[in-house]
Amino acid sequence: GAGVSQSPSNKVTEKGKDVELRCDPISGHTALYWYRQSLGQGLEFLIYFQGNSAPDKSGLPSDRFSAERTGGSVSTLTIQRTQQEDSAVYLCASSLFWDQPQHFGDGTRLSIL
Amino acid sequence: RKEVEQDPGPFNVPEGATVAFNCTYSNSASQSFFWYRQDCRKEPKLLMSVYSSGNEDGRFTAQLNRASQYISLLIRDSKLSDSATYLCVVRALGGGSQGNLIFGKGTKLSVKP
Repeated sequence: GAGVSQSPSNKVTEKGKDVELRCDPISGHTALYWYRQSLGQGLEFLIYFQGNSAPDKSGLPSDRFSAERTGGSVSTLTIQRTQQEDSAVYLCASSLFWDQPQHFGDGTRLSIL
Repeated sequence: RKEVEQDPGPFNVPEGATVAFNCTYSNSASQSFFWYRQDCRKEPKLLMSVYSSGNEDGRFTAQLNRASQYISLLIRDSKLSDSATYLCVVRALGGGSQGNLIFGKGTKLSVKP
């Protein structure tokens, strides 16, 4: 079956612009996560959605970052007024429930000029 | 102290060698532990879960020492295809963060012919 799908796969934008990244989780997965991976760094947790509960936003690095998950399925991560330090690979993962293995998408490579 | 620490390597080993990776974690209440594998410019993929009793999957053996907050991964008879970055991963606990994973920065393995 289909895995976690992310779009776009690559995004290049100018500093100060807003960007929106999309994640389509595996159908039926109740949990969805966003992570980012900067060059030479480990994965950094950003935000976690579980069903209809309020999301855990504890990993968002600043108020320029926000995320939504509509209808318990597709999620968008929005970065406003992008900065060069936002350049990273943004990875989305989903799992059937919070304690099940997470399946990762291919990621969106974001480059801020 | 970082939540999950690993030796970054790189580990350069010949084919057929046995190689061991170590990892320490700071949160003594952590309950779930994993090793993920990440190939260059690819998303992380679950290699194996780590159980208190230790577990083996073919050439791979994972062990957990709760008292020392230490996790290990042993690869026997290494293959060229084992070349990748190995990520030590701990599941966060508490509140809405039950599902999110905390990743080490990874240990790079390069297996040479």
